[in-house]
Amino acid sequence: DTGVSQDPRHKITKRGQNVTFRCDPISEHNRLYWYRQTLGQGPEFLTYFQNEAQLEKSRLLSDRFSAERPKGSFSTLEIQRTEQGDSAMYLCASSLGDAQETQYFGPGTRLLVL
Amino acid sequence: GQSLEQPSEVTAVEGAIVQINCTYQTSGFYGLSWYQQHDGGAPTFLSYNALDGLEETGRFSSFLSRSDSYGYLLLQELQMKDSASYFCAVTSGTYKYIFGTGTRLKVLA
Repeated sequence: DTGVSQDPRHKITKRGQNVTFRCDPISEHNRLYWYRQTLGQGPEFLTYFQNEAQLEKSRLLSDRFSAERPKGSFSTLEIQRTEQGDSAMYLCASSLGDAQETQYFGPGTRLLVL
Repeated sequence: GQSLEQPSEVTAVEGAIVQINCTYQTSGFYGLSWYQQHDGGAPTFLSYNALDGLEETGRFSSFLSRSDSYGYLLLQELQMKDSASYFCAVTSGTYKYIFGTGTRLKVLA
């Protein structure tokens, strides 16, 4: 257990529905990252926050994806009008923002879109 | 573009030494990290290199050559529990990780 928690751990939804995932980082970490991972691939960067500011969003991310970190603590990732291609593991990570930039990953939310 | 290349699979026996290579091509480079991921689990940090040379942490060592855009992870005294996927990841100017596709290590008894 790294101290990063994610909820829910599993989500099954029908195509076209909206889903929202939550990530609670390690409390003193000011950077928070979202990644997506499909079977046999490495995690793929989606977006990241420094405190409450969203500083970068992947160009691969469609407008159906949005993320927030309203008070610089927990973060939510919402996917609107889900598609079968959205099925993946969604990983959250946090870091102190030091030079080494070690990121601590949560257990992930596994999404299945039917 | 940005890319990292790793072998897809490596097999070794318990007690052996194995080296997992990683070559990268990125715009901007801060450091190379290595993560371990067991099936169904989250990636966990193993090591980080920002400068050329070898970093040792217990049974694991990591090497970086910035001029060659190359690094490797060395695992010694392999144990069955080391069976997992290993990812190299580059951090560039924007702090996010760019991950390789991973190397699946199988340790045989």
